[in-house]
Amino acid sequence: QSALTQPPSVSGSPGQSVTISCTGTSSDVGGYNHVSWYQQPPGTTPKLIIYEVYNRPSGVPDRFSGSKSGNTASLTISGLQPEDEADYYCNSYIPSSFFVFGSGTKVTVL
Amino acid sequence: EVQLVESGGGLVQPGESLRLSCAASGFTFGSFSMNWVRQAPGKGLEWISYIDRSATNIQYADSVKGRFTISRDNARNSVFLQMNSLRAEDTALYYCVRDHDWGFDFWGQGTLVTDSS
Repeated sequence: QSALTQPPSVSGSPGQSVTISCTGTSSDVGGYNHVSWYQQPPGTTPKLIIYEVYNRPSGVPDRFSGSKSGNTASLTISGLQPEDEADYYCNSYIPSSFFVFGSGTKVTVL
Repeated sequence: EVQLVESGGGLVQPGESLRLSCAASGFTFGSFSMNWVRQAPGKGLEWISYIDRSATNIQYADSVKGRFTISRDNARNSVFLQMNSLRAEDTALYYCVRDHDWGFDFWGQGTLVTDSS
């Protein structure tokens, strides 16, 4: 199973909004709502920020939001903060191979 | 406080075996599915294995199927990954990860497996 497709990088100034896409197929992203997102600042452990497409775990700021349309899931960071600079990964359930991560997106705060 | 502590990583030659362990604390271990996720140096995340609460549903990524075996001991609050026939491309930081509501909600700090060749 190939990784889900994410843009290699996105950037924005503090206070702006950025959106990261995660494109799969009808067999994974499009077929199930088991999409999650992870934030990994440099040198740290990944952190869950969105699960089941749009749910935020306790403690995750509400400037992080998730959505899905067809075979593409999206993570939007509204009101970008310097501490949001990190790598971001999506993940989806897929029956044929259970779980698959996206290729990862580096978010740069200008 | 939820804690996941991995151990067992090290330097290995191609073809050798290694057994990773993950000690869990701070939650009812037997109520959660667990996973192993790895990250090669400078690369992205790769899910490699899943085990449900009772070890009746076990899954592997194609890249490790037939070589790696996941198991758990709910009495010892531990999950394991037996890695056989190791290859250079298995070099990575291996994370033990808790599964909840289809999200990987807690991650260990990882244990490093490195090809020594």
